[in-house]
Amino acid sequence: GAGVSQSPSNKVTEKGKDVELRCDPISGHTALYWYRQSLGQGLEFLIYFQGNSAPDKSGLPSDRFSAERTGGSVSTLTIQRTQQEDSAVYLCASSLVQGTDTQYFGPGTRLTVL
Amino acid sequence: GENVEQHPSTLSVQEGDSAVIKCTYSDSASNYFPWYKQELGKGPQLIIDIRSNVGEKKDQRIAVTLNKTAKHFSLHITETQPEDSAVYFCAASYTGANSKLTFGKGITLSVRP
Repeated sequence: GAGVSQSPSNKVTEKGKDVELRCDPISGHTALYWYRQSLGQGLEFLIYFQGNSAPDKSGLPSDRFSAERTGGSVSTLTIQRTQQEDSAVYLCASSLVQGTDTQYFGPGTRLTVL
Repeated sequence: GENVEQHPSTLSVQEGDSAVIKCTYSDSASNYFPWYKQELGKGPQLIIDIRSNVGEKKDQRIAVTLNKTAKHFSLHITETQPEDSAVYFCAASYTGANSKLTFGKGITLSVRP
């Protein structure tokens, strides 16, 4: 079946602009996760959703970052007033349920802030 | 919170040799330990995982061992092939509300033909 998909695959933006990144999880997966991967670094947890609610927003780097999920499916990660340090690959993953269930990752969105 | 460390950060082996990648974790409550492989330009892909009720798990050329007392787990790849070259991440989490995977920084494995 279809895996996790993300769009766009690449995004180049100017400093100060807002960007929206989209994640389509595997159908039927109730949990959805966002991570950030900077060049040569590991995966930094940002936020997760169980259904449409986000019990843990502790990983969001600043109030410029927000995320929502509607209909228990698609999620968008929004970065307002982008800064150069926001440049990274943003990865989305989904799992059947939240917890120690296998997480399946999408291909990521590479964000470059000029 | 949980802290996961991987050593070494890079590893180079000759094709056909074995590769061993080690991770340590800090939270004794962690009971789920997956390994992910990430190829260039792609998202991480799960290759094997282990839960704390077993000490070893094998899947063809890949095995994972877990030592809960010492709080470390290792990935073993036998008969390495060039296509095994990638970045490998270990992670740890526990069962429970609001649990989340904590990842190591990754190790770059290079298999020399």
